[in-house]
Amino acid sequence: DAKTTQPNSMESNEEEPVHLPCNHSTISGTDYIHWYRQLPSQGPEYVIHGLTSNVNNRMASLAIAEDRKSSTLILHRATLRDAAVYYCILRSANSNSGYALNFGKGTSLLVTP
Amino acid sequence: NAGVTQTPKFQVLKTGQSMTLQCAQDMNHNSMYWYRQDPGMGLRLIYYSASEGTTDKGEVPNGYNVSRLNKREFSLRLESAAPSQTSVYFCASSEGVTYTDTQYFGPGTRLTVL
Repeated sequence: DAKTTQPNSMESNEEEPVHLPCNHSTISGTDYIHWYRQLPSQGPEYVIHGLTSNVNNRMASLAIAEDRKSSTLILHRATLRDAAVYYCILRSANSNSGYALNFGKGTSLLVTP
Repeated sequence: NAGVTQTPKFQVLKTGQSMTLQCAQDMNHNSMYWYRQDPGMGLRLIYYSASEGTTDKGEVPNGYNVSRLNKREFSLRLESAAPSQTSVYFCASSEGVTYTDTQYFGPGTRLTVL
């Protein structure tokens, strides 16, 4: 299975943009890139997903490199409530295990006032 | 809508005791999951139920059993608890089991086995 690599931690100031990177150099053509986040003492929640094109929703934007070997989750204006662990997860459209959410260690985002 | 609910929120067991963790969802989802999260780690899948009447093993099923009681409820049972099962347990549900189905998580059950 293709793996993802994320920095252990990042820090941001409140109200500034945050760019969370994810490397997935062995991604296959049918792997979708999903992002979930986990706020302190809560269960994970879905953030965004994409295949090739950049994606936007009310929570964040996802920028995918042209070769798809890396992607970046963008929080346009970080708030204190965005302090969480962010997980970059690949899900295959071409296998019976598409349900699988393979959580790694993620990136712990600290937001300071 | 309450989403995914889990009971209890906290539990302390002694080695060898048994217990059942309860999970219910009110989103009319077909699929449900049980994960565990150890300190400083990501979640790992224990069991899942693709649809009512079916259950399958995930990555770490040893020491656990599950029951899909009906479409709403999916329980996780520890028959003889061990200290290695000290963890936070999360239940999740989704419309289906495809690569685009978003999983919705409950608040978790924090279990300590002494």
